[in-house]
Amino acid sequence: KAGVTQTPRYLIKTRGQQVTLSCSPISGHRSVSWYQQTPGQGLQFLFEYFSETQRNKGNFPGRFSGRQFSNSRSEMNVSTLELGDSALYLCASSLARDGTDTQYFGPGTRLTVL
Amino acid sequence: AQTVTQSQPEMSVQEAETVTLSCTYDTSENNYYLFWYKQPPSRQMILVIRQEAYKQQNATENRFSVNFQKAAKSFSLKISDSQLGDTAMYFCATNRDDKIIFGKGTRLHILP
Repeated sequence: KAGVTQTPRYLIKTRGQQVTLSCSPISGHRSVSWYQQTPGQGLQFLFEYFSETQRNKGNFPGRFSGRQFSNSRSEMNVSTLELGDSALYLCASSLARDGTDTQYFGPGTRLTVL
Repeated sequence: AQTVTQSQPEMSVQEAETVTLSCTYDTSENNYYLFWYKQPPSRQMILVIRQEAYKQQNATENRFSVNFQKAAKSFSLKISDSQLGDTAMYFCATNRDDKIIFGKGTRLHILP
């Protein structure tokens, strides 16, 4: 089976712009979670989608949003970018949606905000 | 309050030595799972080991084993006969409120 893929791998944006990141889960996985990884904060949970519905949300402002399509692919959008949004954004897919199952991670999208 | 605590931000050991990474957690779940994930430099994060809390036996995967102390809420990872390829960030995690919560990680360097 193909692994989790994320596009693009690298992005450079300026403050105030918006960005869309994409994640394709492992075939058969209906749960997709998104994380923000920074050196100081580690991995912080953004949100989780299961069967096209947001099931869980972390403590991030409304500028961070996402969606999931019928084929389980997911997109994450960040509007009005701030310098502090610079991070590695990871998505992970799994079979279960309750956090008990193994998460399979993608390579991440490295976002730099100038 | 932080749910998962990894008290060692960074560690270095010589190749072939044994190293133990510490992790403590807090949970109110009746049944829960604990995980160790490995993130090698510039590579994807992968699961190292998974433990179901109701199982008494400590999980093992080849050179990787855990010491699960449920009463103390401790879940340490032991790497035996460490190899250069074990150099990575290691994250301890648990499920809470239907999502996975990660610790801040331990950066492990295996020295030749």
